[in-house]
Amino acid sequence: NAGVTQTPKFQVLKTGQSMTLQCAQDMNHNSMYWYRQDPGMGLRLIYYSASEGTTDKGEVPNGYNVSRLNKREFSLRLESAAPSQTSVYFCASSDREYGYTFGSGTRLTVV
Amino acid sequence: AQSVTQLGSHVSVSEGALVLLRCNYSSSVPPYLFWYVQYPNQGLQLLLKYTSAATLVKGINGFEAEFKKSETSFHLTKPSAHMSDAAEYFCAVSVGTSGTYKYIFGTGTRLKVLA
Repeated sequence: NAGVTQTPKFQVLKTGQSMTLQCAQDMNHNSMYWYRQDPGMGLRLIYYSASEGTTDKGEVPNGYNVSRLNKREFSLRLESAAPSQTSVYFCASSDREYGYTFGSGTRLTVV
Repeated sequence: AQSVTQLGSHVSVSEGALVLLRCNYSSSVPPYLFWYVQYPNQGLQLLLKYTSAATLVKGINGFEAEFKKSETSFHLTKPSAHMSDAAEYFCAVSVGTSGTYKYIFGTGTRLKVLA
């Protein structure tokens, strides 16, 4: 089925460990996004990529890095995980101002 | 800067009663506005969107929203609540220009439906 695929769905990390969240879309969208969702705070934009080869910071980029590997894939890396990064992470893609498609999310716990 | 504000982090209604979830936006240009629903442990599903066509927008599951420029509002309503409507609802605005755009989300409203 066409859409946005995120892996893994669940992950537990120890403080200081690193990991990469993967996101791929098969809709030929130019723009891709990473959000984090925390209780009472809604979804906050971490990084986005308007097109292949470009990335920009969102509201809460500290502690994260991203790579737009190609048009399909946009990964999010935590170099040294901290408990404050415990959250649910959503990837999304879009080809216009009103066409977001979301992945199903990654639930990350940092202990 | 564009933003959205959702009034009420928790709303409770009785089954069969009117659902009203409030969203106010701030935008210097005509906005694109959205309502998303999130059921427990699931992703976000688009309920409806306003893209400058009709001001009254109908969405899925019997929900609708009205864009009121004079009030800078985009409230979500449903005439009769059903138990299955219990979820968290997010209002969002699309911001940006020249092909670079992103969504800004409100903090969410959790809807509880009482039997």
